[in-house]
Amino acid sequence: DQQVKQNSPSLSVQEGRISILNCDYTNSMFDYFLWYKKYPAEGPTFLISISSIKDKNEDGRFTVFLNKSAKHLSLHIVPSQPGDSAVYFCAARNAGNMLTFGGGTRLMVKP
Amino acid sequence: DAEITQSPRHKITETGRQVTLACHQTWNHNNMFWYRQDLGHGLRLIHYSYGVQDTNKGEVSDGYSVSRSNTEDLPLTLESAASSQTSVYFCASSGTSRETQYFGPGTRLLVL
Repeated sequence: DQQVKQNSPSLSVQEGRISILNCDYTNSMFDYFLWYKKYPAEGPTFLISISSIKDKNEDGRFTVFLNKSAKHLSLHIVPSQPGDSAVYFCAARNAGNMLTFGGGTRLMVKP
Repeated sequence: DAEITQSPRHKITETGRQVTLACHQTWNHNNMFWYRQDLGHGLRLIHYSYGVQDTNKGEVSDGYSVSRSNTEDLPLTLESAASSQTSVYFCASSGTSRETQYFGPGTRLLVL
């Protein structure tokens, strides 16, 4: 039973438009959420995070929103650029400090 | 610059063979992790270590072992490789449990 799910395996967006990547979780004990970005043949790199006590965190073109009541978080990328094309993983951290990852969403930004 | 490296980057082996994947970090991080990435499953935790001589089982530890004899290295051993262990393996490290994990470039393992 996956505790963190990314229901969209892929997403295609036009350059300059907004990309919205979604993630759902089931464990209410998760206290911290992260997004990682992964290019082919490379390891995942940390992108942005949010604590469970907040509902929004912004870093440049990237914003993460957290809706605790719905157990849902999303990553918004505005404006999307071709270099943003990658696989995005959301991850959730529990009290034991372990990360649980979603299955990933492949984002393709078309020029 | 400090970094985390994995070797080999690609490995082909036969079922039943013992395989060891290396992970080396130069950040002096206490915490090190091994994950496997499979399509549709994201990254799943195999083993982790909070310091020298400390090792713990993760979500998918069967058939794998680790040892931590120093701060820099956490080798992952497949005792008797199985085709189900064909995967991409990532090592990660963090300074403390509350800090971001930094990942290595991965090892692609094919078990025939």
